Amino acid sequence: KAGVTQTPRYLIKTRGQQVTLSCSPISGHRSVSWYQQTPGQGLQFLFEYFSETQRNKGNFPGRFSGRQFSNSRSEMNVSTLELGDSALYLCASSLDSANTGELFFGEGSRLTVL
Amino acid sequence: DQQVKQNSPSLSVQEGRISILNCDYTNSMFDYFLWYKKYPAEGPTFLISISSIKDKNEDGRFTVFLNKSAKHLSLHIVPSQPGDSAVYFCAAKGQAGTALIFGKGTTLSVSS
Repeated sequence: KAGVTQTPRYLIKTRGQQVTLSCSPISGHRSVSWYQQTPGQGLQFLFEYFSETQRNKGNFPGRFSGRQFSNSRSEMNVSTLELGDSALYLCASSLDSANTGELFFGEGSRLTVL
Repeated sequence: DQQVKQNSPSLSVQEGRISILNCDYTNSMFDYFLWYKKYPAEGPTFLISISSIKDKNEDGRFTVFLNKSAKHLSLHIVPSQPGDSAVYFCAAKGQAGTALIFGKGTTLSVSS
């Protein structure tokens, strides 16, 4: 069974640009969550999508957005990039039905903003 | 407002000894508590969890203890091994449909 796949793995952008990251969840998983990991801040919750609807949203500015497609694949977009957006962006999927909280993470997309 | 707190950024332990990682939470509506382990350049992987109706859950060398009255949980690793060296994240969630909230993590170093 294939795991969570994130693309691209690494990317470099400059301030003011925008970026789109992609996530393919484990087959059958309908919930996709996005997290930002930065040194000293741990894993900060961005948003969660379930059946193409945003179900939960973290405390991030509107420059951060996402969407989920009918096949459960998800994308997140960051517009008007700032230096502080440099981070590892992690996507995670889950079955959701048991509500045990167990998420399966991808390896992440490492974004560097210059 | 940080709902899940890991106040120790790092912990060093000798091989064979016990590692104890601590976590505090503020939201009394949390139903499930989980621990994740993360190696560099990899995504976090699920380690062990506990429901709010229990006070202990054990899986091999890993045991999680939950003290609801103190809003505190801990992860015990016995015996610790060098391969356990990683960042450990505590996480919690509430009722169905709510997000999984993580702490900032504790870096565990196990020396041989």
